[in-house]
Parts: sequence; C-alpha cells; structure tokens
Amino acid sequence: KNEVEQSPQNLTAQEGEFITINCSYSVGISALHWLQQHPGGGIVSLFMLSSGKKKHGRLIATINIQEKHSSLHITASHPRDSAVYICAVNDGTDKLIFGTGTRLQVFP
Amino acid sequence: DAGVTQSPTHLIKTRGQHVTLRCSPISGHKSVSWYQQVLGQGPQFIFQYYEKEERGRGNFPDRFSARQFPNYSSELNVNALLLGDSALYLCASRPDRGRRAFFGQGTRLTVV
Repeated sequence: KNEVEQSPQNLTAQEGEFITINCSYSVGISALHWLQQHPGGGIVSLFMLSSGKKKHGRLIATINIQEKHSSLHITASHPRDSAVYICAVNDGTDKLIFGTGTRLQVFP
Repeated sequence: DAGVTQSPTHLIKTRGQHVTLRCSPISGHKSVSWYQQVLGQGPQFIFQYYEKEERGRGNFPDRFSARQFPNYSSELNVNALLLGDSALYLCASRPDRGRRAFFGQGTRLTVV
C-alpha cells in the first residue's frame, strides 16, 4: 500500500463544474503539498498545508490532520485546469513522498 | 529571477552508458533534491543535499550518485544505465525557511 493515496486516478469534467480530488496518507507528516504537473513535465507548487484550509483564486485546499486526509477543490473549472494534480507529504524530513497523481481533463 | 533550471532537457543513452544530469537551484536556495518519475507514476525520492552534504537517500542502487557544489548547483550521476532508468528526473530546491519546494522542468532520459 502506498503511503500517499489519491482518488480518483482519472477525472473528466465539463467546463464550469466543481471538482474535488482526494488524498489520504498513512505516515506522520509535517506538511502536505498539492502540485500541478502539465504534459511538459514541469511541476508547480499550488499549496503547502499543515492545518486548516487555504484558498488561491478558484483553488481551495483543505486538510484534516486527525483523519490524515486532504482535498483539493477547483471551482468553476476551465479547460486550462487540465493537468495532473499530485499530492505529496513531508514525513518530518525534507523529502517529499508523492501520490501517483490525478489526471484531470476539463472539456469546453 | 530564474527558477530551478535543469540540463539537458532531453537525453537518449544506450544501456551500460553513464549519464550526468545538472540542476541549478533558485538563487539563495541551499537545499536540492532529486526525484525520478517513471511514466504514469508519482515521483520517487532519490537524494537530498544541503550545504554540499547528503541529507537523505532514497531506495536506489549505488549506480545512482549525486553531489552538490559550493554554488549549490547539483549533479546526478547514473552509471551502467538500464532500460528501467528511463524516466523524467526532477530537481527541486527549497529555501532555508519553509518547506515549499520549487521544481525544475525536468530531464527526460530515455535508455535504449
């Protein structure tokens, strides 16, 4: 079993839909990250969380430390949001442990 | 300001050869980490360096080695390449304060 699990693995949506991607982890963490990866390969950091909730534009990230669970929400989704979204955690060290990613496609 | 830069962007090597991948962190970032991402999977931790010292090593064979230079740039070396080493190799740097990581565009290595 992976230490960081994401669901769903693949997600398709119509433009404008509200999207939720889930992440569960089994290790103690010092921080959780949500990352975006486009087909070219480069990874962009969206959020880093250790508690509560963060919002940036149409993106919202929440974390429940007790339940070892985090969600990434995208409101009013747009085709340019199409990418792979990856959850990763710091296990108390500086290294990141990654989930396998959620491939999101948003159609016009 | 330049982000994390990696070179080369793409590379094709033959089995058994050696490869060196390079990473320049964001100016002022002393921590550099390397990750391997096989197609369809999440990245896997290979190494972390801080102030030229190895701070962490993932579950990779001794064919993989790395170093960090006084200017905090880093090299990842892989010897005796195998087909299974074909992957995207990502470098990430981090400032002293905070845990947010900044990633380069990666080097896509193909071993034939």
